[in-house]
Amino acid sequence: AQSVTQLGSHVSVSEGALVLLRCNYSSSVPPYLFWYVQYPNQGLQLLLKYTSAATLVKGINGFEAEFKKSETSFHLTKPSAHMSDAAEYFCAVYTGTASKLTFGTGTRLQVTL
Amino acid sequence: DAGVTQSPTHLIKTRGQQVTLRCSPKSGHDTVSWYQQALGQGPQFIFQYYEEEERQRGNFPDRFSGHQFPNYSSELNVNALLLGDSALYLCASSRRDRDYEQYFGPGTRLTVT
Repeated sequence: AQSVTQLGSHVSVSEGALVLLRCNYSSSVPPYLFWYVQYPNQGLQLLLKYTSAATLVKGINGFEAEFKKSETSFHLTKPSAHMSDAAEYFCAVYTGTASKLTFGTGTRLQVTL
Repeated sequence: DAGVTQSPTHLIKTRGQQVTLRCSPKSGHDTVSWYQQALGQGPQFIFQYYEEEERQRGNFPDRFSGHQFPNYSSELNVNALLLGDSALYLCASSRRDRDYEQYFGPGTRLTVT
């Protein structure tokens, strides 16, 4: 079964600092991987996706993620955090045979002044 | 371009009652998936509808059922509500040929007392 593991349920960074949110996947086939963001009392917004094209994927709001097969990782980064980035971030893997997304447990990003 | 919409926004029900949640997919999408997100957790796949039929199902009891209408909108029904059914219910829509790219609605917050 395909799964993702997010390391760190809470991450706190200063405004302007680098954001690094970690995600490792487990998959027997080449995975499709995603990062979603969830603001309080809202649904999920797609940040970026990896679908076996370029390994460095750029998304919205200045975020990017790099697919590393050797490390089974798909970490999310942003060079400079902004207060508006404070939210819950979810990594997910798509299982084609079941037509579903399997999500990690999420990482809450806090941005301080 | 209207995104995925869900109604109602919030709902309070009593144990044993039945509830119906509604979802309208993004324009151009023909597939609807439902997810349950318990507090502090990542979303869990309930089932997916395409061509008015349930195509895939996650690990949820038969108390959870659904329907898709000819205009691709969908309903999620939950019978015999339990306290543990309290959660945010998310609807996601996609195109059948790009099912991995799922767009989420704002969710319905269900509280069972």
